[in-house]
Amino acid sequence: SAVISQKPSRDICQRGTSLTIQCQVDSQVTMMFWYRQQPGQSLTLIATANQGSEATYESGFVIDKFPISRPNLTFSTLTVSNMSPEDSSIYLCSVEVAPGQGNYGYTFGSGTRLTVV
Amino acid sequence: EDKVVQSPLSLVVHEGDTVTLNCSYEVTNFRSLLWYKQEKKAPTFLFMLTSSGIEKKSGRLSSILDKKELFSILNITATQTGDSAIYLCAVPWGSSNTGKLIFGQGTTLQVKP
Repeated sequence: SAVISQKPSRDICQRGTSLTIQCQVDSQVTMMFWYRQQPGQSLTLIATANQGSEATYESGFVIDKFPISRPNLTFSTLTVSNMSPEDSSIYLCSVEVAPGQGNYGYTFGSGTRLTVV
Repeated sequence: EDKVVQSPLSLVVHEGDTVTLNCSYEVTNFRSLLWYKQEKKAPTFLFMLTSSGIEKKSGRLSSILDKKELFSILNITATQTGDSAIYLCAVPWGSSNTGKLIFGQGTTLQVKP
């Protein structure tokens, strides 16, 4: 089954700075997904990262705030730019696991807990 | 608007109790429903349900889907303190093969010794 390595695991950042989160998958996947989970809330999709094309952002999320890179089929980064305390959340990347690859469904990275002070 | 609604939002039980968590959905082009357990940061996969009336079981956990009434339940029998977590229900949405998930609010389960 697909295994995702996500880092950093956690960080405390000053407002106005940026943080880049990385996800590495142990197999090639077409699409990778980035989610945000604000304190006490459920997961909300930020964007879909496609290899070789611009990421597709969901309503309420913009590229200037959350630029995404997808240089190849196993790797993606999400940057949280010009951070404010409202960006304090858990950020998660995810891929879809196809049938026959063990844990069918959607697999998540270990998550990044971001605190902005 | 597509949505997934879970109930209850929180639940406190004692070890040995049986709990039932609910998930209702309104999603166009429904394909499947997934249950996750979230203890720290990353949700871990429990079940994927695609067919009505077929129970999926893993140890003390089981789940079933009703596509006519648009809901699913997750049962946990003989609960243990290790079952304390947030349980999330999610449904893929959008056109097929987009891989996007819409999540319910989650049910926070606390199992007391």
